Amino acid sequence: AQKVTQAQTEISVVEKEDVTLDCVYETRDTTYYLFWYKQPPSGELVFLIRRNSFDEQNEISGRYSWNFQKSTSSFNFTITASQVVDSAVYFCALSEAQSGGTKKLTFGTGTRLTIIP
Amino acid sequence: DTGVSQDPRHKITKRGQNVTFRCDPISEHNRLYWYRQTLGQGPEFLTYFQNEAQLEKSRLLSDRFSAERPKGSFSTLEIQRTEQGDSAMYLCASSLRTDRTDTQYFGPGTRLTVL
Repeated sequence: AQKVTQAQTEISVVEKEDVTLDCVYETRDTTYYLFWYKQPPSGELVFLIRRNSFDEQNEISGRYSWNFQKSTSSFNFTITASQVVDSAVYFCALSEAQSGGTKKLTFGTGTRLTIIP
Repeated sequence: DTGVSQDPRHKITKRGQNVTFRCDPISEHNRLYWYRQTLGQGPEFLTYFQNEAQLEKSRLLSDRFSAERPKGSFSTLEIQRTEQGDSAMYLCASSLRTDRTDTQYFGPGTRLTVL
């Protein structure tokens, strides 16, 4: 069975500090996808990034960067120079990649990030 | 592009009543998912449609729950004889079949409170 663990329940940092959100996953699949979603107070899940299991290249998008390490089954998310608007709950998720299968997402329990002005 | 929409956004009902939620996916998205999210938890998969066919249901989906997607466009989720344990946020997501990564885009959710 697939499992996603986000050990950090809550994190608070002062604005402009960097912060890293951890995600560890378990799967028996050899091919899979990893995702990060942001859930602001309004409640809507906002897609941030997806990663294929066969592509371990790290990615940077503006102040956001993601570090995928297959050897440790981790897919960590770093926000650089945090801003108050980054305050939200962040979810890491995993889905299988086999064609034809249901690609339902297995989510972690989320990390609540609070940026203090 | 219009995003995924859900209606109503909030629903308060008394135990034992039936409720129905609607989800309108992004146009041309032929895959539609329902998830349930309780306080402090991540969303949990309930069911999945490809076009009008319901292809998978979670064990979380008891006999009191039924979902339909009659013409492969919008979907409804009905809960019969609601219980207090049904109180949660019900999220709908859609994706495009030709997207092999099947990235799912979520609606704003329907928050259900059962008194």
